[in-house]
Amino acid sequence: KAGVTQTPRYLIKTRGQQVTLSCSPISGHRSVSWYQQTPGQGLQFLFEYFSETQRNKGNFPGRFSGRQFSNSRSEMNVSTLELGDSALYLCASSPDGRYEQYFGPGTRLTVT
Amino acid sequence: SQQGEEDPQALSIQEGENATMNCSYKTSINNLQWYRQNSGRGLVHLILIRSNEREKHSGRLRVTLDTSKKSSSLLITASRAADTASYFCATDPNGGFKTIFGAGTRLFVKA
Repeated sequence: KAGVTQTPRYLIKTRGQQVTLSCSPISGHRSVSWYQQTPGQGLQFLFEYFSETQRNKGNFPGRFSGRQFSNSRSEMNVSTLELGDSALYLCASSPDGRYEQYFGPGTRLTVT
Repeated sequence: SQQGEEDPQALSIQEGENATMNCSYKTSINNLQWYRQNSGRGLVHLILIRSNEREKHSGRLRVTLDTSKKSSSLLITASRAADTASYFCATDPNGGFKTIFGAGTRLFVKA
């Protein structure tokens, strides 16, 4: 099976812009989770989707949003980018949202 | 604040030695997992231990879980240079669909 893919792998944006990141889960996996990783805050949970429904979310401002499509592919959007949004954004999939998660390589976002 | 806290933050050992990392968490959990991350890449799942288990083995890995102390440890035996990576514990607070990662332990294995 193909692994989790994330696009783009690298992205440079300017403050105030918005960005959309994409994640394609492993075939058959219905749960997709998103994480933000920074040197200062570590790995932080953003949200989890299952069958197009957000089941849980972390403590991030409303500028961070996501969605999941019927084929389980997921996107996350960050509006009005701030310098502090520079991070590695990781997506992970699993069959049902429990137990082992399979991570993609991440999208490295730099906000200037 | 994060659910999991790990210590040490960094660990440097010689090849062939054992490496032990510890993780503490705050709420009840259904399971605890350990992941490895190589240099800013995606995480790789290592092992999962359920809340009703006390110890689990997988190859050179041994994980223990003490739910009364809300802590876990990961032991890597006979370390290799290829084990150099960051190791994270992850929990599902109150058994929900939310995975919380600890701050991680950076392991450096010298050849």
